[in-house]
Amino acid sequence: EAQVTQNPRYLITVTGKKLTVTCSQNMNHEYMSWYRQDPGLGLRQIYYSMNVEVTDKGDVPEGYKVSRKEKRNFPLILESPSPNQTSLYFCASSPNRGSDEQFFGPGTRLTVL
Amino acid sequence: EDKVVQSPLSLVVHEGDTVTLNCSYEVTNFRSLLWYKQEKKAPTFLFMLTSSGIEKKSGRLSSILDKKELFSILNITATQTGDSAIYLCAVAPRDTDKLIFGTGTRLQVFP
Repeated sequence: EAQVTQNPRYLITVTGKKLTVTCSQNMNHEYMSWYRQDPGLGLRQIYYSMNVEVTDKGDVPEGYKVSRKEKRNFPLILESPSPNQTSLYFCASSPNRGSDEQFFGPGTRLTVL
Repeated sequence: EDKVVQSPLSLVVHEGDTVTLNCSYEVTNFRSLLWYKQEKKAPTFLFMLTSSGIEKKSGRLSSILDKKELFSILNITATQTGDSAIYLCAVAPRDTDKLIFGTGTRLQVFP
């Protein structure tokens, strides 16, 4: 089944403890992206990647890192999480560009205490 | 600064009603506009619009783009309770591969 998977789905952590949220897609898509969704602010793009080893900042990249070492995986790294990074995170992929139809993962609800 | 604004923020209707959701945008070098539906989980794709005046249709849903006035509408006719969701509008600029989302319209359809 064609899908985008994220792990973990739920995570409660404490300020400053490094964490990684994994994202994987099995559709051989070139483009992958991370978003956070907050009440009243909608979906905001954190980082995106056009291909392996090519990443770019979205609108809210501060406090996050990403890497794209393999086409199928695009992990989101929070080196030192803070409470303002408490949010619902979505990974998405599309065949070629951000302007294509994007397929979203199920979401990761992160709480930073 | 690129911006996408959706209205209304929230809408409550009865089954059978027709609704119109609005999306206006300010983006340098427009490439495309996309509509997504978000129920309790991840957004799912509805439409992609690139040309003015050409209606995209899928069942009871339809959408059209006006590139001169910089807006799009999403129409849902004969609404059903299953249409209850947040509807998200997003715009893709031509010179980057970012995607800029509006804050969404929450639609609630009651029987």
